[in-house]
Amino acid sequence: KAGVTQTPRYLIKTRGQQVTLSCSPISGHRSVSWYQQTPGQGLQFLFEYFSETQRNKGNFPGRFSGRQFSNSRSEMNVSTLELGDSALYLCASSLAQRGGRETQYFGPGTRLLVL
Amino acid sequence: AQSVAQPEDQVNVAEGNPLTVKCTYSVSGNPYLFWYVQYPNRGLQFLLKYITGDNLVKGSYGFEAEFNKSQTSFHLKKPSALVSDSALYFCAVRDDSNYQLIWGAGTKLIIKP
Repeated sequence: KAGVTQTPRYLIKTRGQQVTLSCSPISGHRSVSWYQQTPGQGLQFLFEYFSETQRNKGNFPGRFSGRQFSNSRSEMNVSTLELGDSALYLCASSLAQRGGRETQYFGPGTRLLVL
Repeated sequence: AQSVAQPEDQVNVAEGNPLTVKCTYSVSGNPYLFWYVQYPNRGLQFLLKYITGDNLVKGSYGFEAEFNKSQTSFHLKKPSALVSDSALYFCAVRDDSNYQLIWGAGTKLIIKP
């Protein structure tokens, strides 16, 4: 079974631009979560989508948004990029059975550099 | 407040020796605990988890972790370290009230030949 895929793997943008990252979950997984990883802040939860609905959201500004499609693929968008948005963005998928017991499986990440 | 702590930024172990990577947690509900490993330029890989049951959990690559409710700890262990175990290790806990994963800061494990 194919793992979680993320595109693109690397991205360079300039301040003020916007960016869209894509995540394809493992087949059959209905939940997709997004995380930001930086050396200073570690792993921080952005949001989780389940059945095309945002089920949970972390403490990030409104510039960070996402969506999920009917095939469970997800995109996240960052508008008006800032230098501090440079990070590794990780996507994780799970079966999303209620209760939070399931394992999340991570993609390789998209490394975003904002100049 | 809910939190996860990995008190050591880095752990150095000689190849063949036992290793321990420490994790303590604080959550309001039932703790569901996870360990993940991250190799350079890669995403996170699942190692093991504790949901309920036996306090000693066995996982991938020979790793195991011991859940200690009284000490609110979930330390990762391996009896004999390999150089290939060198990586960044993350402990995480999920509170069952919001299903959100709370991550530790990560511990860099260096295994020296």
